[in-house]
Amino acid sequence: GQQVMQIPQYQHVQEGEDFTTYCNSSTTLSNIQWYKQRPGGHPVFLIQLVKSGEVKKQKRLTFQFGEAKKNSSLHITATQTTDVGTYFCAGKVGGTSYGKLTFGQGTILTVHP
Amino acid sequence: NAGVMQNPRHLVRRRGQEARLRCSPMKGHSHVYWYRQLPEEGLKFMVYLQKENIIDESGMPKERFSAEFPKEGPSILRIQQVVRGDSAAYFCASTTGTSSNNEQFFGPGTRLTVL
Repeated sequence: GQQVMQIPQYQHVQEGEDFTTYCNSSTTLSNIQWYKQRPGGHPVFLIQLVKSGEVKKQKRLTFQFGEAKKNSSLHITATQTTDVGTYFCAGKVGGTSYGKLTFGQGTILTVHP
Repeated sequence: NAGVMQNPRHLVRRRGQEARLRCSPMKGHSHVYWYRQLPEEGLKFMVYLQKENIIDESGMPKERFSAEFPKEGPSILRIQQVVRGDSAAYFCASTTGTSSNNEQFFGPGTRLTVL
């Protein structure tokens, strides 16, 4: 079955440092979504990428979708303590018309002030 | 998203009991997904429902688990004869339609603990 691998599993940074999490799929994705989950909370949608090679920015966050649509990354510039949480990628495989998502394991980000 | 309601937020059951989890989608949403999350893991798809129909239950164990989304009322995920391995957070998400590009809005989850 489809697998979505995400690395690293944990990332500890000092406030102000950059952070990147990577997502790789065993199969081509029709789209990829990114979510953030705070400790004890629920996943909150951040963004969706659909096109090959697409790059989107949200303030300090930059999202990329690979040319082959099998990998993606999320980069945070100059982390802040409010960035703490788990970041998940979630891929949609072609073949169904609906949004059945396969989630990566997530990257737990800790930011030290 | 505050618009998707789940209850209870925390549920404690003893082995062998039944757990019933409820999800009310956002207003105007008629499509519901259920996911299970084990500690420090990603979410695993369980089932996708539209009003009165189960579209895809490929991620749901065939025994003890069932789901429904009646014409009126919330979607319900039912776990019979719970075991310790069922302890997890169960999230539902709702969308407006069938498009795979639709954003999924997640509820706050039900944290199930089986003693």
